[in-house]
Formats: sequence, structure tokens, C-alpha cells
Amino acid sequence: ELKVEQNPLFLSMQEGKNYTIYCNYSTTSDRLYWYRQDPGKSLESLFVLLSNGAVKQEGRLMASLDTKARLSTLHITAAVHDLSATYFCAVSGAGSYQLTFGKGTKLSVIP
Amino acid sequence: DAGVIQSPRHEVTEMGQEVTLRCKPISGHNSLFWYRQTMMRGLELLIYFNNNVPIDDSGMPEDRFSAKMPNASFSTLKIQPSEPRDSAVYFCASSFSAQETQYFGPGTRLLVL
Repeated sequence: ELKVEQNPLFLSMQEGKNYTIYCNYSTTSDRLYWYRQDPGKSLESLFVLLSNGAVKQEGRLMASLDTKARLSTLHITAAVHDLSATYFCAVSGAGSYQLTFGKGTKLSVIP
Repeated sequence: DAGVIQSPRHEVTEMGQEVTLRCKPISGHNSLFWYRQTMMRGLELLIYFNNNVPIDDSGMPEDRFSAKMPNASFSTLKIQPSEPRDSAVYFCASSFSAQETQYFGPGTRLLVL
């Protein structure tokens, strides 16, 4: 059974600071996704990471994947209030359609 | 594209009533997923359709839940009879193929009293 663990689950940070969210998964994976969810809203796809060493960046967010360590990171650079949301990583097992989601990291950026 | 469309956005009903949730996937997507999100259990896959055919319904909680996809542009998730523990946000998601990025609808917030 594929398990996905995120940490931290809650993160409060000041504007302008850097931080990293971690996502560990338990078995071989084809793809890893990062989603963002604002309160009361839907999930928005941020990144999909397909191969070892993959790195993707969008604005102040950068995601990376280490398939050997079964670890993905979402790095936040110089946080701004607009980044406050819950971030989920989701992993699909090898050859599988099914996404297994982590519990999410609730990020609050404080001015 | 309008994205995935779900209706209703909010539903309040009484225990024992039938509830029907509706989803219109993104045009051209052949994979459709129904999820349930709760604080306790997070996001759970309920059922997956490919080309309108249910492929995996192992996540459907019990016989009170049923889902259909009569054509490529419409799916329903029905709960009959509803119970308070069914209160959750139900999301529909679609993707171009089973292993492509899933795009989520706005969700239906269901409250069963």
C-alpha cells in the first residue's frame, strides 16, 4: 500500500523567509504532484514531477524529486501572504492511475 | 475551457434523504474521478471511470453510494439514504488520460443533518 507523508502539517512563517515542505512516499512511483488548496476552494495543480532529479519552479515555489530517497520537496522562497494555503503532494504508484494524497501542509504567511 | 463543473455547490439535507451530486468533466478528458475530503480522512478516491466505464469503485464506502457516467460529459454520485457521517466535500476531477494531471472541480459541500 502506497503511503504518503508530508511534514510539517502546519507551518507559520513570516513574509520574506524561506522554508521547505517535505513529502515522503513508501513505494516506487511514476509521478508526483503538488497541489494547492485555498480555504473552501478546489485543488489547483502546481507541479508534476516525473523523473529523478526533476526540478520545477514557478514564482516563489520550487519543487524537486529524489526518487531514490522517495522524497519530494517544495521550497518557498521569500514568502508572501498570497502563498497562504494548504499544499498537498500526491503520488501515483508505478503504472497506476490512482493518486494517494498526503494530509496536506497548511501554510500561513504572516506579514 | 470552463474547467470541471460540479453542482450543486452546497447541499444541506436531512438524514435518510437521497442526494445526487453532478459533474461535467473537461471536454476531451477520458478519465473521471470522484473524491471525498474530510478533516479526519483527508482526500479519498471513491470511484474512477475511464471512457465512461467504472474501473475501480473500491473506495465507495458502502452500498448507499452509487455512481454513473452515462456519457462522456456527465457523471453523477448518488447517496441513498444519506447519513450524517456522509457530510464532506465531494470533488470530481478529470484528466486527459488515466496517468495525466487531474483537474479538480470546485467541489460540493454536503451537510447531512
